[in-house]
Amino acid sequence: QKEVEQNSGPLSVPEGAIASLNCTYSDRGSQSFFWYRQYSGKSPELIMFIYSNGDKEDGRFTAQLNKASQYVSLLIRDSQPSDSATYLCAVKPGNTGKLIFGQGTTLQVKP
Amino acid sequence: KAGVTQTPRYLIKTRGQQVTLSCSPISGHRSVSWYQQTPGQGLQFLFEYFSETQRNKGNFPGRFSGRQFSNSRSEMNVSTLELGDSALYLCASSPGTSAGNEQFFGPGTRLTVL
Repeated sequence: QKEVEQNSGPLSVPEGAIASLNCTYSDRGSQSFFWYRQYSGKSPELIMFIYSNGDKEDGRFTAQLNKASQYVSLLIRDSQPSDSATYLCAVKPGNTGKLIFGQGTTLQVKP
Repeated sequence: KAGVTQTPRYLIKTRGQQVTLSCSPISGHRSVSWYQQTPGQGLQFLFEYFSETQRNKGNFPGRFSGRQFSNSRSEMNVSTLELGDSALYLCASSPGTSAGNEQFFGPGTRLTVL
């Protein structure tokens, strides 16, 4: 079992729809969780960061964390073609600077 | 604040050579982590430095090394380059290592080994 798992996609949604991206992790000791967006040929850009159970909202983005189920998700409301990218889920095990990444989910938003 | 900077942005080397990559974190950030990104393996952790000390190391051979200076700038070195070392090398900057700290990536150094 991989430490951080994501569906590689591609996930295709129409413009204006809600995109739902999911991630599961194996280490119950993991303390914080990150979502990065990466455009082709670019470096990852931090979208959301969450470390408490529940929801965290920032503009069109909502991160949801359920530590009991070892599950974190990212919802993108009113999806735009510019949201088309690879979304990387990363998990931080404890008080370290190490992030463990999933393989990423490719999102395609069709006009 | 200026973001994370990495130099050089692109490098072409031949097998057997060595290379040094540089990373300047966001002002005030004391933690620097390095990652390797390849199409096959994705993003993999190399090592992490905090206050000039290596705090964690990933599962990479000893040819990969790094260091951090008193101004928090960091360098990583790869000796005896192999074709498989071709990758995007990313550094990430963070204020510290606790759970509440975010990590911000630099633009990366694209290394090609011929």
